[in-house]
Amino acid sequence: DVKVTQSSRYLVKRTGEKVFLECVQDMDHENMFWYRQDPGLGLRLIYFSYDVKMKEKGDIPEGYSVSREKKERFSLILESASTNQTSMYLCASRRVVGLSSYNSPLHFGNGTRLTVT
Amino acid sequence: GNSVTQMEGPVTLSEEAFLTINCTYTATGYPSLFWYVQYPGEGLQLLLKATKADDKGSNKGFEATYRKETTSFHLEKGSVQVSDSAVYFCALSDQGGGFKTIFGAGTRLFVKA
Repeated sequence: DVKVTQSSRYLVKRTGEKVFLECVQDMDHENMFWYRQDPGLGLRLIYFSYDVKMKEKGDIPEGYSVSREKKERFSLILESASTNQTSMYLCASRRVVGLSSYNSPLHFGNGTRLTVT
Repeated sequence: GNSVTQMEGPVTLSEEAFLTINCTYTATGYPSLFWYVQYPGEGLQLLLKATKADDKGSNKGFEATYRKETTSFHLEKGSVQVSDSAVYFCALSDQGGGFKTIFGAGTRLFVKA
């Protein structure tokens, strides 16, 4: 089974801090994603990465950056945390099969619940 | 752009009742459609998928049929159990959307014994 591991289940940070959320997958998947989940809004895509050292902005990238130096690891960085970034953050990975990676399902970690005070 | 709309919850049912959660979508291309389930304290996991029109995805007694004419992918189960209590997300992904997966807002299901 694919395992996607997020380094922290719960995190409490202060406004203005730089925050790192780490995600590691063990199945050599090419694509990796960061979503945030908020009640009534579903999942919204922050950033994604097609492959190592590649990154693309999602729908809500403001205030975030990412790093993918190794294939198995995708880091989300909050440059200066703010209270409106309090949320559940979900990392996911996906295998590319030929040209049709969009047919492949996402594999999710268990999430990091971040509180910014 | 692409979008997914699913019925608002929460949905509360008694055990062994029939379940339907409606999902409709808008897409520029020919998307693949997915249902994911999130149990308390966990991330999402794939429940079922369908990749072309008229395909039926099924898993654990749940079913959904890809209806291109009505742009729908409704989730059904004939007899729900307490253990089905969770949040259900409808999602789509296609090449026109830049390979991104777009999710609906989620529908919370409560099943009472």
